[in-house]
Amino acid sequence: GQNIDQPTEMTATEGAIVQINCTYQTSGFNGLFWYQQHAGEAPTFLSYNVLDGLEEKGRFSSFLSRSKGYSYLLLKELQMKDSASYLCAARYSGAGSYQLTFGKGTKLSVIP
Amino acid sequence: EPEVTQTPSHQVTQMGQEVILRCVPISNHLYFYWYRQILGQKVEFLVSFYNNEISEKSEIFDDQFSVERPDGSNFTLKIRSTKLEDSAMYFCATQDSRYTFGSGTRLTVV
Repeated sequence: GQNIDQPTEMTATEGAIVQINCTYQTSGFNGLFWYQQHAGEAPTFLSYNVLDGLEEKGRFSSFLSRSKGYSYLLLKELQMKDSASYLCAARYSGAGSYQLTFGKGTKLSVIP
Repeated sequence: EPEVTQTPSHQVTQMGQEVILRCVPISNHLYFYWYRQILGQKVEFLVSFYNNEISEKSEIFDDQFSVERPDGSNFTLKIRSTKLEDSAMYFCATQDSRYTFGSGTRLTVV
């Protein structure tokens, strides 16, 4: 199967910037998604990258390097409500389906 | 923003019983998915559904599982004879340019 690797936990201070890294297997790769998930809730869409480079959306940015099999999610001006798990998910070209393969998630704790 | 609706939000069932989890997808989406997340673990793909048939399924999706779109709107996941290890959050998702997840059904098998 395709492995998606991301750190298990991170801690950052309110108002700071944090970068969450993700690596994935490149064979058959078709797009990279980031989701936010609060405990007991559904994943909510944050960003999508399919081409190399940076996508910016407010306080959140996501970067992709297809050749390196690498992405990161950048969160600026951290707020307490940003405490959540951040899920990296890759889409692979398959037999008639475009299902996502998820990493285990990075639990971010924002402290005062 | 359009939503994916799932019912029930929480279901407790005895081992060996059948359960049906329901999802109302976003109306103009064509690809539907079921994922599950065991407590503390990653989100895992179960099955994808397109044009009224299964397009791909994972190793988890064995003969105990089935999916249907019985009336053109609802999308259901049936587990025929539940096991303790089926306890998890089950998420329905639909896709256009992004994947939108429903709020999930927490299944507890006792």
